[in-house]
Formats: sequence, structure tokens, C-alpha cells
Amino acid sequence: GENVEQHPSTLSVQEGDSAVIKCTYSDSASNYFPWYKQELGKRPQLIIDIRSNVGEKKDQRIAVTLNKTAKHFSLHITETQPEDSAVYFCAASLSAGTASKLTFGTGTRLQVTL
Amino acid sequence: NAGVTQTPKFRILKIGQSMTLQCTQDMNHNYMYWYRQDPGMGLKLIYYSVGAGITDKGEVPNGYNVSRSTTEDFPLRLELAAPSQTSVYFCASSYQGGLEQFFGPGTRLTVL
Repeated sequence: GENVEQHPSTLSVQEGDSAVIKCTYSDSASNYFPWYKQELGKRPQLIIDIRSNVGEKKDQRIAVTLNKTAKHFSLHITETQPEDSAVYFCAASLSAGTASKLTFGTGTRLQVTL
Repeated sequence: NAGVTQTPKFRILKIGQSMTLQCTQDMNHNYMYWYRQDPGMGLKLIYYSVGAGITDKGEVPNGYNVSRSTTEDFPLRLELAAPSQTSVYFCASSYQGGLEQFFGPGTRLTVL
């Protein structure tokens, strides 16, 4: 089955700096890569996703890049703010036509300091 | 819409007891999922369903059972609770595969 590795496990940045979280996946058939944000004690919520037919996707301060050849994808957060502090999870799966069984990474705890 | 709701929010079980975690969604989603999240870890898929009457095992199904008699409900059953089942359980749903999964608020379960 799919295996997703995520690095780093913790990341501390100063407010205004950029943060980058990287994930690798093992199954070359995976074609859907979402990123979830989980605040302390809350449920995971989707912040951005990308499919294998594009290499990059942006949404305001958040961007995701995908390298299918190397089987890795990354989350980029620019101009970080204290409210960005949370645990971020990457995931990978097959998309439409299957049950889209997401395999999650182990998470990155992002701390944005003032 | 309430989205995905779960009950109870918290529960403490003794070893060997049984319980059912309830999950309901009002978004008319076909797909539903159960995950467990151990402290400091990611989410692991327990069971999933692609529609009423259809269920399948995920990554960590041992010790659990599910049923899907309606589109809205997807209960998770623990038959003989063990300390290894201490975790936070999240239910999620999506309209179909490859689309956003919406998570419930979670059930924090402790087995002593």
C-alpha cells in the first residue's frame, strides 16, 4: 500500500517568515494530494489540494508543489502569522473512481513566534 | 447543515467493554470513513464505505466493526475494548473519492 513520509516533525518560524513542509509518497499511481490543518483539539480541515495533472497550485499565502517523477510534494506558507500555528498533515491517494483511501503523513507541528 | 456529527465526545471504557461510536452526516455524501489518531501521530484509516450497504477494511481494522444501513449514518463498533484502542476517533465523509473529506469533531476514547 501507499506510504507517506513527512518532514520536519516540528518547525518553528518567526512571524513573517516562510515555512516549507515536505512529503514523499511511495505509490506512483497516487494522483490526489491534499493538505490538512489541525488546530489543537480540533478536527482536521482541508487547506489546499493538488492533483497529478498540475505541478503547482496557489491560494493566497499557501502554495503546494508536486514533483511526480521524484514522488514528493511540498506545502509552502508565506508571510506566516500566529494563526498559522497548528499541525499540518499531508496525504496521498488515488482519486475519483475509487474510495480515495487517504494515507496520511505523521504531521508537522508549526509554531509561528512573534 | 450540521455537517459531520459524532457522539459521544468523550468516553472512558474498562477493558473488555463494548461501545458504539456514532457518526452522522447531512451532506448526502456517498463516502464515509473512520480514522483513529494516536497522540502525536497522523490519522490511520480503520474502515470506509462507498455507499449504503458497502463497507471495506482500511489500514487498522482489527478490533472494530462497522455497518452502513443508510447514507447518513456510519457507526463504529468496538466489541472488546483494549488499552491499545485508546485514541481519538474521527469520522469523515466526502461526496466521492478524490474530493475533500469533511471531518467530524472527534471522539476521545480512553480504555483503562
